Amino acid sequence: KAGVTQTPRYLIKTRGQQVTLSCSPISGHRSVSWYQQTPGQGLQFLFEYFSETQRNKGNFPGRFSGRQFSNSRSEMNVSTLELGDSALYLCASSLAGQGNSPLHFGNGTRLTVT
Amino acid sequence: GEDVEQSLFLSVREGDSSVINCTYTDSSSTYLYWYKQEPGAGLQLLTYIFSNMDMKQDQRLTVLLNKKDKHLSLRIADTQTGDSAIYFCAETFRGSTLGRLYFGRGTQLTVWP
Repeated sequence: KAGVTQTPRYLIKTRGQQVTLSCSPISGHRSVSWYQQTPGQGLQFLFEYFSETQRNKGNFPGRFSGRQFSNSRSEMNVSTLELGDSALYLCASSLAGQGNSPLHFGNGTRLTVT
Repeated sequence: GEDVEQSLFLSVREGDSSVINCTYTDSSSTYLYWYKQEPGAGLQLLTYIFSNMDMKQDQRLTVLLNKKDKHLSLRIADTQTGDSAIYFCAETFRGSTLGRLYFGRGTQLTVWP
């Protein structure tokens, strides 16, 4: 079974631009979560989606948004990029709704903002 | 559920056991997890334990949970150089969703041949 797939793996953008990151969950997984990883702040939760609905959100500004499609694939968008948005963005999926279903992570998208 | 503490570094010799420690503050923790991250990669789930358990063993990995002290440990038996990585402890807790994990800062494990 294929793991969580994130595209692209690497991205370089300029301040002020916007970016869209994509995540394909493990087949059959219906819940998708997004995390930001930086050396300074560590791993921080962005949002969680289930059945196309956002059911939890972290403490990030409104420039960070996401969505989930009917096939469970998810995208996150960052508008008006700032230098501090440079990070590894990790997507994770889980079965959800069946007792504890742990998160399985993709290899991430490395975003560099110049 | 937001304070998960780990020591930053651990060095061991190949063949020895490694013990990585984690403390958490939320007594309503439900599940506690251990993830491994190698350079340039995402997080690999190693194991997890429900908060009403004391111990879980999975091949070379043993997880111990002391609920009274809010202390979680991961023991890796017969540590190999391929175990060199960053290990993250994480928790979920009652009142939140299972997709929201609170992570420690990670322990860098270095295994010397």
